[in-house]
Amino acid sequence: DAGVIQSPRHEVTEMGQEVTLRCKPISGHNSLFWYRQTMMRGLELLIYFNNNVPIDDSGMPEDRFSAKMPNASFSTLKIQPSEPRDSAVYFCASSVIAGERGETQYFGPGTRLLVL
Amino acid sequence: AQSVSQHNHHVILSEAASLELGCNYSYGGTVNLFWYVQYPGQHLQLLLKYFSGDPLVKGIKGFEAEFIKSKFSFNLRKPSVQWSDTAEYFCAVVSNFGNEKLTFGTGTRLTIIP
Repeated sequence: DAGVIQSPRHEVTEMGQEVTLRCKPISGHNSLFWYRQTMMRGLELLIYFNNNVPIDDSGMPEDRFSAKMPNASFSTLKIQPSEPRDSAVYFCASSVIAGERGETQYFGPGTRLLVL
Repeated sequence: AQSVSQHNHHVILSEAASLELGCNYSYGGTVNLFWYVQYPGQHLQLLLKYFSGDPLVKGIKGFEAEFIKSKFSFNLRKPSVQWSDTAEYFCAVVSNFGNEKLTFGTGTRLTIIP
């Protein structure tokens, strides 16, 4: 199994530009999570999906952030417009068996975003 | 709301020393507990997890953790660390009822000196 796949691995952009991060979960997993990791705030859950439906987006910082999951094998996290404070590593994770408490989450390699 | 505390922000040990990293959580109900490791420049990987049963859980690479319900703790241990254990370690908890969100601690950076 290829594991969770994220692209791009690195992104450098200028303030005001749109950024799109992509994630392909492990096949058969039906829960998908987007996290942001910074030195200041540690690892934060932004949003998670269950069977392609957003369940909790309370961690999304503001309206500039949006996430979609059009099908079971693909999700995007979009930042528009981007700001320097959005610079972070963004991780996607997936898990199997929606609704079962305590399922293990498997993390992707992350996208390192730098907004200048 | 559930929360996780990792009191040691940075731990420095020599090779072969014993390790214990603290993790305390706050939640009154039944929880499932995890330790994840993040090696430099890499993503988070699962070290071990506790769902139920024996409170002493053994994971990969010689790590183990003990769930002590009365202390709300899930400390990570390893009897003899290696240089390759240099990484950041995250404790995480998810409640068993009504909330699927995994809550992470702030992490403990472990540096092993050869």
